[in-house]
Amino acid sequence: DTEVTQTPKHLVMGMTNKKSLKCEQHMGHRAMYWYKQKAKKPPELMFVYSYEKLSINESVPSRFSPECPNSSLLNLHLHALQPEDSALYLCASSQDSVRGRTGNTIYFGEGSWLTVV
Amino acid sequence: GQQLNQSPQSMFIQEGEDVSMNCTSSSIFNTWLWYKQDPGEGPVLLIALYKAGELTSNGRLTAQFGITRKDSFLNISASIPSDVGIYFCAGPSNTGNQFYFGTGTSLTVIP
Repeated sequence: DTEVTQTPKHLVMGMTNKKSLKCEQHMGHRAMYWYKQKAKKPPELMFVYSYEKLSINESVPSRFSPECPNSSLLNLHLHALQPEDSALYLCASSQDSVRGRTGNTIYFGEGSWLTVV
Repeated sequence: GQQLNQSPQSMFIQEGEDVSMNCTSSSIFNTWLWYKQDPGEGPVLLIALYKAGELTSNGRLTAQFGITRKDSFLNISASIPSDVGIYFCAGPSNTGNQFYFGTGTSLTVIP
């Protein structure tokens, strides 16, 4: 079983709605990630938090707003999404962001299926 | 970003057959990771490789870290229906917390 927990599992929202995806890990990891994944494609990186600070934003539209309240929690706030934003959103975590560190491994949650109508 | 190429893109095999897939990169990696993803679920880590030339097994799965550090291989022996899914390779960047993913290999096992 994954030690990265995501809620909700499924979410349907209208284009004018505001909703949030939540993620929690208790592995003591200091890096947390949001990925977006379309069917049969590899995960696409959206954001990386390292030691609770945003370290990577892959030019994601501002209608996606990440938040890292503490080292165990990661949220993704959603507002005014478009139908093409419908996808599986994956949260993940890894130990830390030491450059070139050997042994860094990323663990995924089960994902949140988002449908924008 | 870094491109990881996986082959084959898809495989259709009979139950009981062995499976081989590989992942190649244009640059070296210090770690290679292999994941399996079932429909509607997140990727699950199968095997992690941390040293060039390393050969690691996890049940019927065996993975190898290529000695050039630019490739990795995953083998599944005696496939069963629950092996169905998409297999991804991945590796971390050398400049920080970014993981690059392969294009995926879709496996179908015919009973």
